[in-house]
Amino acid sequence: GQNIDQPTEMTATEGAIVQINCTYQTSGFNGLFWYQQHAGEAPTFLSYNVLDGLEEKGRFSSFLSRSKGYSYLLLKELQMKDSASYLCAVIDSNYQLIWGAGTKLIIKP
Amino acid sequence: EAQVTQNPRYLITVTGKKLTVTCSQNMNHEYMSWYRQDPGLGLRQIYYSMNVEVTDKGDVPEGYKVSRKEKRNFPLILESPSPNQTSLYFCASSHEPGQGSGELFFGEGSRLTVL
Repeated sequence: GQNIDQPTEMTATEGAIVQINCTYQTSGFNGLFWYQQHAGEAPTFLSYNVLDGLEEKGRFSSFLSRSKGYSYLLLKELQMKDSASYLCAVIDSNYQLIWGAGTKLIIKP
Repeated sequence: EAQVTQNPRYLITVTGKKLTVTCSQNMNHEYMSWYRQDPGLGLRQIYYSMNVEVTDKGDVPEGYKVSRKEKRNFPLILESPSPNQTSLYFCASSHEPGQGSGELFFGEGSRLTVL
């Protein structure tokens, strides 16, 4: 079966750096997304990776290793507003999105 | 403003009373989809549509119906709601997921409670 694994919850300190990991086993691979979702709100797009390597976008970066079935989202200079859930999603060989359950990130002052 | 609009945002209903959750997008997107989100389970796809008059089942279609008669609208119909359909529902659209970035744009969500 298809599966995406992310830690359920992580805690970090304001101003620090945190890395949220995502591992996947899917039937084929056509790209990986990261979305941010604040409590009670809709998910919003953060990043898209289809080739191996690091994509940097301001304070957020996303890394992909297709051979390892692995991605991470790196958040730098954490702010309180970064407290949210972070969702990893993979496009499989049928161009369907497979979602992870999400990682709840708690930022402490 | 580019957006996906869902209605109602909140609804409490009773078992067996048919309801429709509307979804409309103004971005001329071909792809639209419905998800439900439950604690610890993440987003699960109910139905999706690649274009007008084309709909397909997602992972959890039982108890739901959809239609795509116009490009902009994709209503979700619960013919006979049951308590296990109590959930947070999201409609989403995309120009074409899987091609290029295929970013999904989500509506604000509809919180449904079935008593």
